[in-house]
Amino acid sequence: GAVVSQHPSRVICKSGTSVKIECRSLDFQATTMFWYRQFPKKSLMLMATSNEGSKATYEQGVEKDKFLINHASLTLSTLTVTSAHPEDSSFYICSARVRPRWEQYFGPGTRLTVT
Amino acid sequence: DQQVKQNSPSLSVQEGRISILNCDYTNSMFDYFLWYKKYPAEGPTFLISISSIKDKNEDGRFTVFLNKSAKHLSLHIVPSQPGDSAVYFCAASYSQGGSEKLVFGKGTKLTVNP
Repeated sequence: GAVVSQHPSRVICKSGTSVKIECRSLDFQATTMFWYRQFPKKSLMLMATSNEGSKATYEQGVEKDKFLINHASLTLSTLTVTSAHPEDSSFYICSARVRPRWEQYFGPGTRLTVT
Repeated sequence: DQQVKQNSPSLSVQEGRISILNCDYTNSMFDYFLWYKKYPAEGPTFLISISSIKDKNEDGRFTVFLNKSAKHLSLHIVPSQPGDSAVYFCAASYSQGGSEKLVFGKGTKLTVNP
């Protein structure tokens, strides 16, 4: 149980375009989903927390208008990188949590490359 | 300000021996601690966790120890197997503004040699 999927696993886009990444909880309903970004040889950095049906809470330094998060249902959250730039190239990982448990279950990640 | 620290970027252990991965934290508000295992280009996989009210939690070959006074936790893997080779992240959780946040260390790359 507790499987989280992400799609696509890898995407290359041109600078200035937008990219949408989907995160799905496959066998459970996720009350809360998280989006992380991992830079090379660095830790996972939390970008935002989203609760189903409400606006996402962004971490300090993360641009809300650039990284649009939608958590429309208990099994789906999307991250849209708008007007992507090469510095947005990174590994984006989502996770989901089921209350009352504390563990977060992670998706396999999406490698974004902006050319 | 790094609230969760894994001071050893790498660790090499012989198969069958014990692997000990260490983690220190600074925020006394953390009340739940987790260890994740991660392979390259994959998402982290949850391994084991411990609540701040406990000092030990065991699950098969994995045991996590928590020393609250020292703000230190460790993950013991025994016996270590080559398949355990991966990056291990320590994470700590706390609640803020009604939401829970998970703070990760930078990870320790474990290599188990056959």
